[in-house]
Amino acid sequence: NAGVTQTPKFRILKIGQSMTLQCAQDMNHNYMYWYRQDPGMGLKLIYYSVGAGITDKGEVPNGYNVSRSTTEDFPLRLELAAPSQTSVYFCASSGQGPNTGELFFGEGSRLTVL
Amino acid sequence: AQKVTQAQTEISVVEKEDVTLDCVYETRDTTYYLFWYKQPPSGELVFLIRRNSFDEQNEISGRYSWNFQKSTSSFNFTITASQVVDSAVYFCALSEGHRDDKIIFGKGTRLHILP
Repeated sequence: NAGVTQTPKFRILKIGQSMTLQCAQDMNHNYMYWYRQDPGMGLKLIYYSVGAGITDKGEVPNGYNVSRSTTEDFPLRLELAAPSQTSVYFCASSGQGPNTGELFFGEGSRLTVL
Repeated sequence: AQKVTQAQTEISVVEKEDVTLDCVYETRDTTYYLFWYKQPPSGELVFLIRRNSFDEQNEISGRYSWNFQKSTSSFNFTITASQVVDSAVYFCALSEGHRDDKIIFGKGTRLHILP
């Protein structure tokens, strides 16, 4: 089982560049989440989605955009990369949200903005 | 707003000692969910436990145990007879599942088990 797949695993961006972090899950989960983890810090929620066509802001949404056109995919877009966005990004999914169980996490995408 | 506080940034204990990781949460809701996750040095995030606000029973799973006390808004995690493989960052998380589906994490506690 692939579970939650994130691409790319590593990326270096220049200030002002744009990119999309891809996240796909094959578990038919409705709930999907994007978190960032800064060095030595906890996870901060960027955006989340409770189903196709529905997205909502988390704790730190500024500088990011998301879309959820299918159940499987939840891409995260950085429009104008800034050094403050250097972080490890984790995508996660859940079958029924926090009401029923665990988050399944991808392996993370390490982004460096120079 | 929901909040999770893990006041212990880093803890070091000698192997075979018991260790407790503290988690204090804040929520306006009467229905909420609490979680613990483990992040070993390899970086992946591993689910450990989920508890809803209506179930205050303590839980034990092998060397792991959890103490949920609504009176003090705490959901503490104890590792008994710690092992080097327990070295990791441990995160406590909270969801006000009745209100929305955000899952908010604490800053984590880095646990070092010394041989």
